[in-house]
Amino acid sequence: GENVEQHPSTLSVQEGDSAVIKCTYSDSASNYFPWYKQELGKGPQLIIDIRSNVGEKKDQRIAVTLNKTAKHFSLHITETQPEDSAVYFCAASWGAGGTSYGKLTFGQGTILTVHP
Amino acid sequence: DSGVTQTPKHLITATGQRVTLRCSPRSGDLSVYWYQQSLDQGLQFLIQYYNGEERAKGNILERFSAQQFPDLHSELNLSSLELGDSALYFCASSVGAINSPLHFGNGTRLTVT
Repeated sequence: GENVEQHPSTLSVQEGDSAVIKCTYSDSASNYFPWYKQELGKGPQLIIDIRSNVGEKKDQRIAVTLNKTAKHFSLHITETQPEDSAVYFCAASWGAGGTSYGKLTFGQGTILTVHP
Repeated sequence: DSGVTQTPKHLITATGQRVTLRCSPRSGDLSVYWYQQSLDQGLQFLIQYYNGEERAKGNILERFSAQQFPDLHSELNLSSLELGDSALYFCASSVGAINSPLHFGNGTRLTVT
């Protein structure tokens, strides 16, 4: 089955700096890659996603890049703010022809701390 | 607020017991998913239902079962509970069975003593 590796496990940055989190996946058939942010006591919240027919996607301060050849994808957060502090999860899944993108395989998570 | 409602928020029970976790999906969503989050295993997919029918299965134990009712709410039943079943259980929902982003509830924290 699919395996997703996420690095680093913890990341500490100063407010205003950029943060990058990287994930690799094993199943070349995977074609959907969402990123989730989880705050204490809450469920994972979708912040951005990318499908395999796209190499890069941006939403304000957040961007995701995908390299299908190398089977890795990354989350980039620019101009970080203290409220960006949370646990971030990458995930991968395969969905086509009636199967589901919902069977997500998650990375182990990155604890991001943004210091004021 | 994701619009996905899970009850109860906390549950404490003893080994060998049975519990039921409930999930109401976002309005309009037909798919419901159950995930388990533990410190050592991370987020693990358990099962998916779409419009009342089981659609995909993951690492769900035989002691666990789920169903989705005609009003689209879902229940996850955990029986013969063991200490190792202590975890956060999340429900997520999406509009369709495929190609639809998942939206998670805030989970039920299960503690087995």
